[in-house]
Amino acid sequence: AQSVTQLGSHVSVSEGALVLLRCNYSSSVPPYLFWYVQYPNQGLQLLLKYTSAATLVKGINGFEAEFKKSETSFHLTKPSAHMSDAAEYFCAVSDQTGANNLFFGTGTRLTVIP
Amino acid sequence: ETGVTQSPTHLIKTRGQQVTLRCSSQSGHNTVSWYQQALGQGPQFIFQYYREEENGRGNFPPRFSGLQFPNYSSELNVNALELDDSALYLCASSQPSGSGSDTQYFGPGTRLTVL
Repeated sequence: AQSVTQLGSHVSVSEGALVLLRCNYSSSVPPYLFWYVQYPNQGLQLLLKYTSAATLVKGINGFEAEFKKSETSFHLTKPSAHMSDAAEYFCAVSDQTGANNLFFGTGTRLTVIP
Repeated sequence: ETGVTQSPTHLIKTRGQQVTLRCSSQSGHNTVSWYQQALGQGPQFIFQYYREEENGRGNFPPRFSGLQFPNYSSELNVNALELDDSALYLCASSQPSGSGSDTQYFGPGTRLTVL
């Protein structure tokens, strides 16, 4: 069975500081992993995904994530936070069955302090 | 390219009523998945439709049902509404590649409140 755990339901950073959002996964097969962002009253937007091609994945808006099999982690980072990054971030793993449905974590709310 | 659209945006119902939510998939996508996102939680998979057939189902009771039409748009129907059905319902479309790495593109959601 596949699952993800997001450590820290709330993270606050100063504008310009490093953003680090943590995600650990559990999967019985090599995982496909995703990070989505959700702005208030909106749906989810894909930031990036890992599909085993490269362990360091670059996404939109300056975000990137590194797949570490030994640590079963897929943490999301951004070198310098911007006010517009304030949102809810979800890590997800695909179950890789016929439906390929996504198992989401409980989310991390990022606050950026000016 | 048209993205995923959902209607209505908001809906208020009372316990025991029935509701239908609608979703139009992104152009070129033949697969639609529905998710329920309770307040403060991550989305949970309800079911998926591929070429008008149910292609997988999460841990939701039979009173949650769906349809997909020849144009790949989809409906989610919920009967006998309960208070715990209050949530944001998200629709996502995708184009299967045969692997588990398909990107799902989400609509803005329908906020359902059950009183």
